[in-house]
This record gives sequence, C-alpha cells and structure tokens, in this order.
Amino acid sequence: DQQVKQNSPSLSVQEGRISILNCDYTNSMFDYFLWYKKYPAEGPTFLISISSIKDKNEDGRFTVFLNKSAKHLSLHIVPSQPGDSAVYFCAAENEGGTYKYIFGTGTRLKVLA
Amino acid sequence: NAGVTQTPKFRVLKTGQSMTLLCAQDMNHEYMYWYRQDPGMGLRLIHYSVGEGTTAKGEVPDGYNVSRLKKQNFLLGLESAAPSQTSVYFCASSYWGGRETQYFGPGTRLLVL
Repeated sequence: DQQVKQNSPSLSVQEGRISILNCDYTNSMFDYFLWYKKYPAEGPTFLISISSIKDKNEDGRFTVFLNKSAKHLSLHIVPSQPGDSAVYFCAAENEGGTYKYIFGTGTRLKVLA
Repeated sequence: NAGVTQTPKFRVLKTGQSMTLLCAQDMNHEYMYWYRQDPGMGLRLIHYSVGEGTTAKGEVPDGYNVSRLKKQNFLLGLESAAPSQTSVYFCASSYWGGRETQYFGPGTRLLVL
C-alpha cells in the first residue's frame, strides 16, 4: 500500500509559467516532508522541506505548501525554467521519528522552452 | 569532496551469482542508507546504518545483506541474485538521521538475467 502518492507521472509546462507538483499521503503520523529532484543518471538531490507545524515554506523559486487536513502537499516552481526538467519525488518521514523516509513514485516535469 | 560515490555504475549478473555494491562517502556522515528504485515504485529503503559497525533493516531487506565496517563505507551484498533484484540502487548518507538532508550517490544499475 503506497503511503505517499504522486498521482501525476508527468507534467509539461511552458517556460516562465508556474509548475505545480502534487503529493498525497495517507499516514497522519507523518510530520516532516521533503522534495527531491532527480536528473537522469544522477542521484536525487534535496530541494526543499516542510515540517507539519508550518503550512508553507519558500526557497527562491520553490514553495512547498502543506494541507494537513487534506493530507496533501504541493511544490510550486515559479517561474519554471528548462533546467527544472527532472523527476521530482516527495518523501515523508516515517512515523515515530525513525529517520526513514517514504518516497512517492515521482513526477517527471518537462519545461518547454 | 567527492560526496557519495558508488561502485560499479552498471552490472549484469546471472541468476544465482553474488556481488557486492560499494558505497563510499567523504563527508564524515554517521548515517548511511541503501535504496532501490523500480519503475512505478519510487525509492524504497533496503537497509540503513546509524554508525560504524551497526546496520538495520528497511522496508525491503530480503535477499540483501549489508556491512558497515568503516564509517565511510557501506556495502550491499546480494548472495544469490534473482531477476526480481533487477533495479537501480542508490546509496545515501546524512550527518545524523531524522531531518538531516540525505545526500545520494549516482546509482548502480543492476540487471539480473
């Protein structure tokens, strides 16, 4: 049973527009969430995180929103750039603070020039 | 700093053969992790280590063994490879566990025939 779900396998966006990547989770014990970005033939790299005590965290062009009641988080990229084309994974910290992350299946973002 | 490196980058095995994947990090991190990534499955934790000489099971540990004899190295062993172990394997490390950023290696692509 997938506890962290990214229901959109792919997304295409025009350069300069907003990219919105979505992630849903089922376990209400998750209290820390992260986004990782992955380019082909490379390992994932950390992008941004959010704790459950917040509903928004911003870092430059990247903003993560958390809706605890809906068990939903989203990553906004504004403005989108061709270099943002990658696979984006959301992850949640496993219950009990066991320092293990549960990853979603990823969304492939393509930013069109 | 090389960060996290993985050896080999690609390997083909026959069913029943054994091999060891090597992960090395030069960041003096305490925690190290082995993940596998399969299509439509995201990254799943195989084993992890919270320090030299310690190891623990993750989500999908069956068919794998690990060792952490030196702080900078984390080895993943397949004693008798099976086609179901065809995957991309990622190693990661973090200074501590929990909300510390995990840094990933570039991955090892393994094909078991």
